Amino acid sequence: DQQVKQNSPSLSVQEGRISILNCDYTNSMFDYFLWYKKYPAEGPTFLISISSIKDKNEDGRFTVFLNKSAKHLSLHIVPSQPGDSAVYFCAARNTGKLIFGQGTTLQVKP
Amino acid sequence: GAGVSQSPRYKVAKRGQDVALRCDPISGHVSLFWYQQALGQGPEFLTYFQNEAQLDKSGLPSDRFFAERPEGSVSTLKIQRTQQEDSAVYLCASSPLWGNQPQHFGDGTRLSIL
Repeated sequence: DQQVKQNSPSLSVQEGRISILNCDYTNSMFDYFLWYKKYPAEGPTFLISISSIKDKNEDGRFTVFLNKSAKHLSLHIVPSQPGDSAVYFCAARNTGKLIFGQGTTLQVKP
Repeated sequence: GAGVSQSPRYKVAKRGQDVALRCDPISGHVSLFWYQQALGQGPEFLTYFQNEAQLDKSGLPSDRFFAERPEGSVSTLKIQRTQQEDSAVYLCASSPLWGNQPQHFGDGTRLSIL
């Protein structure tokens, strides 16, 4: 039973354009949501998070949106840069532990 | 460095051998987590410590897996009588206890069982 799903395995965008990564979840008890970025042979690096009581959080080029009624989370990156190319994981917290999606590989083309 | 440190980075063992993986969390972080990541998948929760107390071990796949954090800082994940299906990257993360604080991950130990 996959409680957190990232249905797009990969995404390719042009440098300077917007990247939108999506995530769906099923458990309404999740209280905190996070996005991590991962390069090969490295651990996940924290990017941005949002509490379940908010619907938007912004940090520089990164914005996370939460739609609780739809149980949907998205990450917007504007403008996208080639250095953003990596695997992105969404995660949801339940009783302390994180439940991760399968990841989306983002490629930003120069 | 100030981040989570894991050792060894790579471990190759023969089936049936015991292995021990080490995690040094960020100084002062009360919470420590172990995750297992299979190829092409997201990390999956194994176990959680608050200081030296193991509060959740619901993700440990079998009784061959054992974790400890005896002094509330460094943690060791031990796998006994390793099997090929244990091959994965084992990630450690730490965080402060309270509030909406993210977990910070180490670079993991890549375990290969031959």
